[in-house]
Amino acid sequence: DAKTTQPTSMDCAEGRAANLPCNHSTISGNEYVYWYRQIHSQGPQYIIHGLKNNETNEMASLIITEDRKSSTLILPHATLRDTAVYYCIVRAYTGANSKLTFGKGITLSVRP
Amino acid sequence: SAVISQKPSRDICQRGTSLTIQCQVDSQVTMMFWYRQQPGQSLTLIATANQGSEATYESGFVIDKFPISRPNLTFSTLTVSNMSPEDSSIYLCSVEEDSGANVLTFGAGSRLTVL
Repeated sequence: DAKTTQPTSMDCAEGRAANLPCNHSTISGNEYVYWYRQIHSQGPQYIIHGLKNNETNEMASLIITEDRKSSTLILPHATLRDTAVYYCIVRAYTGANSKLTFGKGITLSVRP
Repeated sequence: SAVISQKPSRDICQRGTSLTIQCQVDSQVTMMFWYRQQPGQSLTLIATANQGSEATYESGFVIDKFPISRPNLTFSTLTVSNMSPEDSSIYLCSVEEDSGANVLTFGAGSRLTVL
């Protein structure tokens, strides 16, 4: 069963912020939220992950709600090269739930 | 992060033949994984390649069809045996680095077309 729910697709204008939502209402206390993306014809690329605090790195910001049932990946200034499929994944650090299981993801199209 | 090289990057094969895909990592890693991505689909985990022991396969994947070798901490192979057109997919190798960050790095994939 899917542990995360994402919209099928969205688009945004180049230079604007892209806010990608993800629902994970059944997340367990030891599960982290991970985001990966897959640009066409490439392998997936790690973006960011978090447990309950908001996280930021050079690629993106991750906002996790206080109840941890949903999160938002923010690309602050989207470029055409950010066009990709973005996967939101919940994953434990160890144990049976530590495998990286991909859902369908959300296709982000950045328009000029 | 680790750099992964996969060979071949793409191939076209005949039905009934077998193909071995190689995955070379530029650093020693404990955990290596093989994924399959069928056309237009997401990634599906095939197996975890364990160094020094048999691979651990996910439901729906068997060793006779997808034998895996892991002779050392930097190398693994995946063989797709007795291929049919349904095996046409991208096969991806990934590693979880031992730094403790629990982040997977992926190779570019091997695109396999079976005629």
